[in-house]
Amino acid sequence: NAGVMQNPRHLVRRRGQEARLRCSPVKGHSHVYWYRQLPEEGLKFMVYLQKENIIDESGMPKERFSAEFPKEGPSILRIQQVVRGDSAAYFCASSPGFLGPPGYRADSNQPQHFGDGTRLSIL
Amino acid sequence: LAKTTQPISMDSYEGQEVNITCSHNNIATNDYITWYQQFPSQGPRFIIQGYKTKVTNEVASLFIPADRKSSTLSLPRVSLSDTAVYYCLVGAPSDSGNTPLVFGKGTRLSVIA
Repeated sequence: NAGVMQNPRHLVRRRGQEARLRCSPVKGHSHVYWYRQLPEEGLKFMVYLQKENIIDESGMPKERFSAEFPKEGPSILRIQQVVRGDSAAYFCASSPGFLGPPGYRADSNQPQHFGDGTRLSIL
Repeated sequence: LAKTTQPISMDSYEGQEVNITCSHNNIATNDYITWYQQFPSQGPRFIIQGYKTKVTNEVASLFIPADRKSSTLSLPRVSLSDTAVYYCLVGAPSDSGNTPLVFGKGTRLSVIA
């Protein structure tokens, strides 16, 4: 699936436990996005990261949720003290980014490459 | 970001051409139109992207009228494996060339033998 690897594919947690979701982007991609999808719904944006920086976290709940994309290693979406409402499919996407000079507008959205998601179930 | 409206579901027989229309009345001048396909238990896959007129690739065609207030994804001669949810997205690139995507509920296409 375009090289984005997510693990685990399925994760079961009890209420109050922590969930860690991992995402390895396409090789060479420096931008990572996390989305959440409920059944019969479209994906909802959560957070956008570049290496070692959070660019936009406007879609991520302020409490219990955190994300990182370290210089080395995969991006991690962490959910602390999970509740039943956290049950969903979590998708990661990556894109190569645009290396033009500051202020230069790209002439199109670069398509994001998605992984096959982690299905989180809370008991 | 412009809101999109597309049919909730569509049915088609194998071998037919399927056209899925998406309305985006508030599309902005620098917005692009992108379509993704999602199979059950998989992540979305990029199908096609366009700005105006017609774009064609090996998978689909995208028709965009002059006013750009709608777009139509055309899938030629669908097969059972084309059964999926199809999402129409509208958005503009950020200065860095990347923008978080905004998904609606999509169109659930069911292809029948």
